[in-house]
Amino acid sequence: QSVLTQPPSVSGAPGQRVTISCTGSSSNIGAGYDVHWYQQLPGAAPKLLIYDNINRALGVPDRFSASKSGTSASLAITGLQAEDEADYYCQSYDTSLSGSGVFGGGTKVTVL
Amino acid sequence: EVQLVQSGAEVKKPGESLKISCKGSDYSFANYWIAWVRQMPGKGLEWMGVIYPDDSDTRYGPAFQGQVTISADKSVSTTYLHWSSLKASDTAIYYCARLVHSGGWCVSWGQGTLVTVSS
Repeated sequence: QSVLTQPPSVSGAPGQRVTISCTGSSSNIGAGYDVHWYQQLPGAAPKLLIYDNINRALGVPDRFSASKSGTSASLAITGLQAEDEADYYCQSYDTSLSGSGVFGGGTKVTVL
Repeated sequence: EVQLVQSGAEVKKPGESLKISCKGSDYSFANYWIAWVRQMPGKGLEWMGVIYPDDSDTRYGPAFQGQVTISADKSVSTTYLHWSSLKASDTAIYYCARLVHSGGWCVSWGQGTLVTVSS
């Protein structure tokens, strides 16, 4: 059970918008730690998608956007494409874990 | 281009020891934190710990303290993950990743090392 909670799965048709939530607490996101997002395509290593809450990594299409508020963060994918089918993870740090990094449980995005 | 290249897949028996590696290239290896991340079969990512190769300052995630040893040899730009006595539950893919700074994001990832522990 991760300290950052994500929905196990979300789905959408091509062209639609989907959002993935990442819910934390006062010891991680709410403590001011930034949130980062990674995409893991099937059979591949994770890849940085978003850093410091809102910034797209180099080469990431602007279809991907993210935000942070209070003890939560979210990732949005607009204009969903077949190639976006992957697992997505949020990541932050947690004071209750001696400042260790933490990942959310991951969300599987399915393109219908 | 920054690269992290990990050692190959391993098949071991319970109780055996193992050390896997992650070699960095095309950047100042000693001056960037490296994280180790576990992914058990069909499961999510888990933060194991981090090391700063320049002085080997190491910080473990609570769940992994005492279970593994993270080390580094900056002279060969390599960090290691070591088990003294493997368990079947150590079966997983292990990734190394370079942090942009302490407390930051994983900007580059290794390709992963599959460790299978089975009798």
